[in-house]
Amino acid sequence: DAGVIQSPRHEVTEMGQEVTLRCKPISGHNSLFWYRQTMMRGLELLIYFNNNVPIDDSGMPEDRFSAKMPNASFSTLKIQPSEPRDSAVYFCASSKGQDGGRTQYFGPGTRLLVL
Amino acid sequence: TQLLEQSPQFLSIQEGENLTVYCNSSSVFSSLQWYRQEPGEGPVLLVTVVTGGEVKKLKRLTFQFGDARKDSSLHITAAQPGDTGLYLCAGSRTDSWGKFQFGAGTQVVVTP
Repeated sequence: DAGVIQSPRHEVTEMGQEVTLRCKPISGHNSLFWYRQTMMRGLELLIYFNNNVPIDDSGMPEDRFSAKMPNASFSTLKIQPSEPRDSAVYFCASSKGQDGGRTQYFGPGTRLLVL
Repeated sequence: TQLLEQSPQFLSIQEGENLTVYCNSSSVFSSLQWYRQEPGEGPVLLVTVVTGGEVKKLKRLTFQFGDARKDSSLHITAAQPGDTGLYLCAGSRTDSWGKFQFGAGTQVVVTP
């Protein structure tokens, strides 16, 4: 079975450019999470969706970040304009069910470097 | 400030030794999870604990959830080089449905 798919795996861009990260959750999963991981701040939840609807975006750092989930099999995280401090590994995770003990399956991540 | 404090931050041991890592908070969690993350990959779930005082065993790994559901520990017996990785705990609070917050992690290195 395919796991969570993220693209691109690596992205190098210049400050001010728009960056779009993509995620395909596991088929049948109804929740999707976007995380950011840095050495300084660890793994931070940015936003999560349930049944394609954003439930909590309190972790989104600022208006430069936006996320969409147009259907159950696709989500994007966009940064516009990008800044060097956005450099991090961005993970997408999906899960099934609604209880607090569910399993999140993480993708391999996108390593973003903003110069 | 991390909601979940993990200790130690780094642990280096020899193969065959035992180790314990801790995850502490002042908050009560409805469930707590432990993940292991290897370089270049996403975290992989090891266990979920939901009941205060619960103990779960996964081969050489033993997980315990505190009675008050505010803390947890992970104990590895006879560590092997394959246990090397970043161990993360994540908690879900009763007032934040479905939302897990992660600790900073404990980097474990097991040398042959």
